[in-house]
Amino acid sequence: GAVVSQHPSRVICKSGTSVKIECRSLDFQATTMFWYRQFPKQSLMLMATSNEGSKATYEQGVEKDKFLINHASLTLSTLTVTSAHPEDSSFYICSARGPAAEQYFGPGTRLTVT
Amino acid sequence: EDKVVQSPLSLVVHEGDTVTLNCSYEVTNFRSLLWYKQEKKAPTFLFMLTSSGIEKKSGRLSSILDKKELFSILNITATQTGDSAVYLCASLTGGGNKLTFGTGTQLKVEL
Repeated sequence: GAVVSQHPSRVICKSGTSVKIECRSLDFQATTMFWYRQFPKQSLMLMATSNEGSKATYEQGVEKDKFLINHASLTLSTLTVTSAHPEDSSFYICSARGPAAEQYFGPGTRLTVT
Repeated sequence: EDKVVQSPLSLVVHEGDTVTLNCSYEVTNFRSLLWYKQEKKAPTFLFMLTSSGIEKKSGRLSSILDKKELFSILNITATQTGDSAVYLCASLTGGGNKLTFGTGTQLKVEL
């Protein structure tokens, strides 16, 4: 099946610093990738849609200057959380769009901002 | 606003039981309904349902979609402790990109 990786799996950073999370589709090309965040005991909330070679589309309420997305190749999208604050602590999950529009998820990144 | 509702919110059963998880949706421009299993990490894909009335099956899991009544069910027969997880359903809408997730059903299978 389709495999999506994320790196790092866990990161702790200090308030005010920036953190970059990578999402890779390992055995297929993904022109579209997605970034979600998930709070404890809640479902996944879509943050943005990342399209290879063009600007990301952000969901309402998501600050594009805070959550920078780059989709530079057909197998890699990155999410950079800039000037992170404790309220940004969450589980960030990426997914890659498959051929039938199904989505395959990466293992997630646990971000803790101290 | 697109809405996906799952029931029950949580469920505890014994090994060997059969369970049915429900998912109803109210969305615009519906395309497909997807089921995922989430354990400690990110969701793993189970099924994608696009046509009404056609059952999809994988081992002890099966699922069906009713596009007239706007719901789907996920059945798990002969449950095992390894089936313990959160089961998420999501509707795929629009140009085929956006997934709207339900809140999930927490299933616990006990010995």
